[in-house]
Amino acid sequence: QVTLKESGPALVKPTQTLTLTCTFSGFSLSAPGMRVSWIRQPPGKALEWLARIDWNDDKFYSTSLKTRLTISKDTSKNQVVLTMTNMDPVDTGTYYCARIRGSDDYWGQGTLVTVSS
Amino acid sequence: QSALTQPASVSGSPGQSIIISCTGSNSDVGGYNYISWYQQHPGTAPKLLIYNVSQRPSGVSDRFSGSKSGNTASLTISGLQAEDEADYYCSSLTNKNTRLFGGGTKVTVL
Repeated sequence: QVTLKESGPALVKPTQTLTLTCTFSGFSLSAPGMRVSWIRQPPGKALEWLARIDWNDDKFYSTSLKTRLTISKDTSKNQVVLTMTNMDPVDTGTYYCARIRGSDDYWGQGTLVTVSS
Repeated sequence: QSALTQPASVSGSPGQSIIISCTGSNSDVGGYNYISWYQQHPGTAPKLLIYNVSQRPSGVSDRFSGSKSGNTASLTISGLQAEDEADYYCSSLTNKNTRLFGGGTKVTVL
């Protein structure tokens, strides 16, 4: 059974760096073809794709946010970590991690991050 | 890259069919057949309805169907039901091997 769960701070201050962890089970990110993505959703607004890391450590970032994002994996811990620098109130929203590839589509429950001083 | 363009809202009566469009460019929707559609009810994670333009995952009702023409993909919901009232998002692979989502469409069942 594939599960993913996001964790991290619920509140961060403007200009701080956000670090989110996705802990998953039911698969290994070292297996060929596996990948984990991060997607966010501001309150009442649309989904926004952020980043993806593949089994071979290939990394892909949103064009508009790539200067602020870093994605990494710890295969031994079954974790993927996303960092986002220079947080701003507009970055407030629910952050999801997901395993997405065709019909292979699993999402975490999401974690709400609020950016406020 | 900007979000894919979807109508903000679409409505229909029970039993009717509705179509949600998703317009992109040659760099995303028009260039690849990796188009997905998601349904999202309030407070929940998105649920995959359609992948690869027109494929349905097991367990998804055949009332949902997808298609594509040029730079525009479409989701058709047939036999509209009250439970279909939700937000719907398209998503496409891009020429940078990233993904784009649409701005979302709120479906209202009258």
